Amino acid sequence: GQNIDQPTEMTATEGAIVQINCTYQTSGFNGLFWYQQHAGEAPTFLSYNVLDGLEEKGRFSSFLSRSKGYSYLLLKELQMKDSASYLCAVRDNYGGSQGNLIFGKGTKLSVKP
Amino acid sequence: NAGVTQTPKFRILKIGQSMTLQCTQDMNHNYMYWYRQDPGMGLKLIYYSVGAGITDKGEVPNGYNVSRSTTEDFPLRLELAAPSQTSVYFCASSSLGTGILYGYTFGSGTRLTVV
Repeated sequence: GQNIDQPTEMTATEGAIVQINCTYQTSGFNGLFWYQQHAGEAPTFLSYNVLDGLEEKGRFSSFLSRSKGYSYLLLKELQMKDSASYLCAVRDNYGGSQGNLIFGKGTKLSVKP
Repeated sequence: NAGVTQTPKFRILKIGQSMTLQCTQDMNHNYMYWYRQDPGMGLKLIYYSVGAGITDKGEVPNGYNVSRSTTEDFPLRLELAAPSQTSVYFCASSSLGTGILYGYTFGSGTRLTVV
């Protein structure tokens, strides 16, 4: 079966660091994505991991361990505008050579002053 | 370069009515998708297409139909609207190249209420 788990909600303080975890069990694996979605808006791409390790992009970093079926998104120097939902998505092996994205339910992050 | 354009942004339907959600992309992407997003439930794949003339069912296709007559357009049809179809609908697209690195480009969504 396909299952992607992430915490429902998290709260953090402006300027702090927060880590959002994602565990997955899917029938195939062809990469893991993190998206940011502000309330009432479309998801926007944050990061992509296909090999084990850490990918850093400015204040955001994403880590993947394929053997553990685990990823995390690390947000540093939190800003109020980082308040949003963060979606973990795994690309499976179906849908042609590219595969389709399977999404977790999202983690709603609230950043407080 | 508009990206992925969805219309309408909002719509209220009565039970049993039908409607078409429009989706157009101008990036020459081969792959297009329709997802629905319900509160607390994440994005669920309804239908997808890997190119003009080719469509396939996703996880939750019942009550919907799609067509892909051109590379640019991927409309989603609701024939007999039901309250369970109240949701936010997102269209997305990707290409074989950019899709590997960036996943999907999403439209701004259509918020549909069936009463």
